[in-house]
Amino acid sequence: GENVEQHPSTLSVQEGDSAVIKCTYSDSASNYFPWYKQELGKRPQLIIDIRSNVGEKKDQRIAVTLNKTAKHFSLHITETQPEDSAVYFCAADTGGGNKLTFGTGTQLKVEL
Amino acid sequence: DTGVSQDPRHKITKRGQNVTFRCDPISEHNRLYWYRQTLGQGPEFLTYFQNEAQLEKSRLLSDRFSAERPKGSFSTLEIQRTEQGDSAMYLCASSEVGDTQYFGPGTRLTVL
Repeated sequence: GENVEQHPSTLSVQEGDSAVIKCTYSDSASNYFPWYKQELGKRPQLIIDIRSNVGEKKDQRIAVTLNKTAKHFSLHITETQPEDSAVYFCAADTGGGNKLTFGTGTQLKVEL
Repeated sequence: DTGVSQDPRHKITKRGQNVTFRCDPISEHNRLYWYRQTLGQGPEFLTYFQNEAQLEKSRLLSDRFSAERPKGSFSTLEIQRTEQGDSAMYLCASSEVGDTQYFGPGTRLTVL
């Protein structure tokens, strides 16, 4: 089955700096890679996603890149703000929307 | 509120008791998923439905767990003879086929 590894587990940045979170996956059949943000006690919320026919996708301060050959994908947040502080999860889907396999999460802290 | 809803939000029970949780998906979504999340971990897939058909169950789902979606709308997850290891957040998500999964707020189960 699919295995998703995520690094780092914690990340502390100064406000205005960039943050990068990296994930690798094992199943070459995976073709959908969402990123979720989860604040304490809240539900996971989708912030961006990418499909395997695209190498990069950007939405304002957030971007995701995908390297299918190396089986890794990354989340980039620019101009970080205190409200970006949360746990971020990457995930991979083996196709057809059957299920998501999640990484172990990255606790991002944006310091003033 | 047209998002995914779950009930109850919190459940405290004694070991050995049975519990049942309910999930109401976004109305036009034909897929419904159950995940379990423990502290410091990403959500783990348990099972999913397409309409009323249960199409996949994780090995995590022991015989004490059963899920139903009788009319292809809401779903219930029952845990029989609860154990302390069942303590977790139980998350429900819904989607259209092959599309973004939207999560509910979860039911936090504490087994004493």
